[in-house]
Amino acid sequence: SQQGEEDPQALSIQEGENATMNCSYKTSINNLQWYRQNSGRGLVHLILIRSNEREKHSGRLRVTLDTSKKSSSLLITASRAADTASYFCATDDGTGRRALTFGSGTRLQVQP
Amino acid sequence: DSGVTQTPKHLITATGQRVTLRCSPRSGDLSVYWYQQSLDQGLQFLIQYYNGEERAKGNILERFSAQQFPDLHSELNLSSLELGDSALYFCASSVATAGVGETQYFGPGTRLLVL
Repeated sequence: SQQGEEDPQALSIQEGENATMNCSYKTSINNLQWYRQNSGRGLVHLILIRSNEREKHSGRLRVTLDTSKKSSSLLITASRAADTASYFCATDDGTGRRALTFGSGTRLQVQP
Repeated sequence: DSGVTQTPKHLITATGQRVTLRCSPRSGDLSVYWYQQSLDQGLQFLIQYYNGEERAKGNILERFSAQQFPDLHSELNLSSLELGDSALYFCASSVATAGVGETQYFGPGTRLLVL
């Protein structure tokens, strides 16, 4: 079963614009991670935010986490055509199991 | 390149058959995870091994099994295959199971098609 739901399911923007994707989850977590997947290929780890962190930056990426609302957002600034991919949030469920539970993903299309 | 390798990249087989997928984790990583990605179920955790021992189970069918060998590579065995087993199978690895913030590094996946 899916832990999280991403919103929107699909997003189309122009190069240079910002893209914001949201993720909601259901149970308590140790951390939340964002991954990118290009068209049926492997998942690339983007960023990890721990449950005691509220915001984290990595290059053009900004992730926020609100544990009271059980939600996270991923902001990609100054998007590029190469950012076209599916983006997934994944949570470590906090049981010590360490397996990731993935959301349904947001498909981002960046038009050149 | 994540450092995790998976073979084969593609596999086409028939219903009722058995296949083995192989994964080599990143150098130094002790934990191996298997995930299945299908159109209807999304990305789902199957099973985890840590240093040769099974550590956690997810939505893994009884027809599926896995193991991790002393050299830390892992194999996922899928038997009595059904059409619905067609999916992308990913392996991921991480350093260990301790700690509260561990990145999992994913391999390129094996695309299985059951005809």
